[in-house]
Formats: sequence, C-alpha cells, structure tokens
Amino acid sequence: DSGVTQTPKHLITATGQRVTLRCSPRSGDLSVYWYQQSLDQGLQFLIQYYNGEERAKGNILERFSAQQFPDLHSELNLSSLELGDSALYFCASSPNRGGGGSGNTIYFGEGSWLTVV
Amino acid sequence: DQQVKQNSPSLSVQEGRISILNCDYTNSMFDYFLWYKKYPAEGPTFLISISSIKDKNEDGRFTVFLNKSAKHLSLHIVPSQPGDSAVYFCAASTYNQGGKLIFGQGTELSVKP
Repeated sequence: DSGVTQTPKHLITATGQRVTLRCSPRSGDLSVYWYQQSLDQGLQFLIQYYNGEERAKGNILERFSAQQFPDLHSELNLSSLELGDSALYFCASSPNRGGGGSGNTIYFGEGSWLTVV
Repeated sequence: DQQVKQNSPSLSVQEGRISILNCDYTNSMFDYFLWYKKYPAEGPTFLISISSIKDKNEDGRFTVFLNKSAKHLSLHIVPSQPGDSAVYFCAASTYNQGGKLIFGQGTELSVKP
C-alpha cells in the first residue's frame, strides 16, 4: 500500500460524457501527478501539481483538466470522452516539487480503470 | 519520440539465477533514473534509483548500473525469486522538468521455480 488513494477503481461511461477521477496523496506529500497508461502508449505523464499550483505539464489533451485543492487532494476531469480515452489513469505523489535527485521519486496509487463505450 | 526504451518486452529466468533488465535512453539531460515494478491490477511500486553522478546503486538483491557514455542502464536481480515476476519499468527525469518521469514500455519478467 503506497498510501496514495484513487477513486473510483473502475468506471464505465459512454462517449461524449464527462468523468472525474479523484486522488488523495500520501500524508505529507505536496506534489500530485497524473499518468495515463493505455495498451499502446505505456505510462504517459499528464500533469503535476505542487501545493495547489501547476508545476509541469505533459501531453494532456485540452478536453482533460486537473486541479489540486487546499487539502492537497486532486481531481482529474475528463470531458467529451472518446473511445480512445479508455485507459488506466494513475495518480502519484511525492513530498516535494521534484526537479532533481531523489525528489523525483514518486509513489503511485492503484489506478482508476476507465472504459468508454 | 521515445526517449526511454526497453527493447525486451519479456524475460524468463530460472529461480536463483540472475535477472538483467535493460534500458536505453536518448536524452543526455536526464539526471535521475528509477526502476519501478508493477504487478497486475496494482500501481507501479518504486524499486531503486540512481543519480547520474553515480554508476552503481545497490539495495539488497537489486543493483542498478548506469553507463552514461552508452546512455544505458540495467537492473540486476540476484538471486531471482518467483515473487519477482512482474513488469519492470525504467524511468528518467531531468532537473528542469519538475517531477515529470519519462517511462519505458516495460519488460515482463517471469521467474520460473
């Protein structure tokens, strides 16, 4: 158990819909990361928040957005869903803002499996 | 543009023998490298890491070697145990990209009893 909690674990929704994935980081961690794992793309970095502010951004689609709240939990919002958005979405956390050395070790949750039908 | 590559999708090893998982990278700006292990239906679990200023880091049965000139790192598991059977991902980061990790595609290790 990494201490990172993600909900829901599984979600099935229709194309065009909007879903929200939720993540609670490990106690004391200030950074939250979102990764997408699909069959053909491996683990792809989406976005990082540090203490409520966006810190780093990957190839996150415009239909996707995220935020980190004052209590440090984070939500990933996926809208206008397409079949290709079906994937495992991981949240991860780390104590600090990252950027070098051991600060870049991040700890993953168990993931939210999204199926778009 | 795959900056981190694991060219072997799978590896099978006998229990007690050495497992060697390889990873190549293209970005010379990477300064920190990590290995994660992933079991089915679970998130990746941090295993071991190495800074670019070192060429070796050891933690129990796990040793990571870094060859910067070849842009290559490897994970050695000695001795291999059936419980080590999992997918192993290498990942890399640079100091100026926050906590962003670039992952390889993974190598599925199977340790046979």
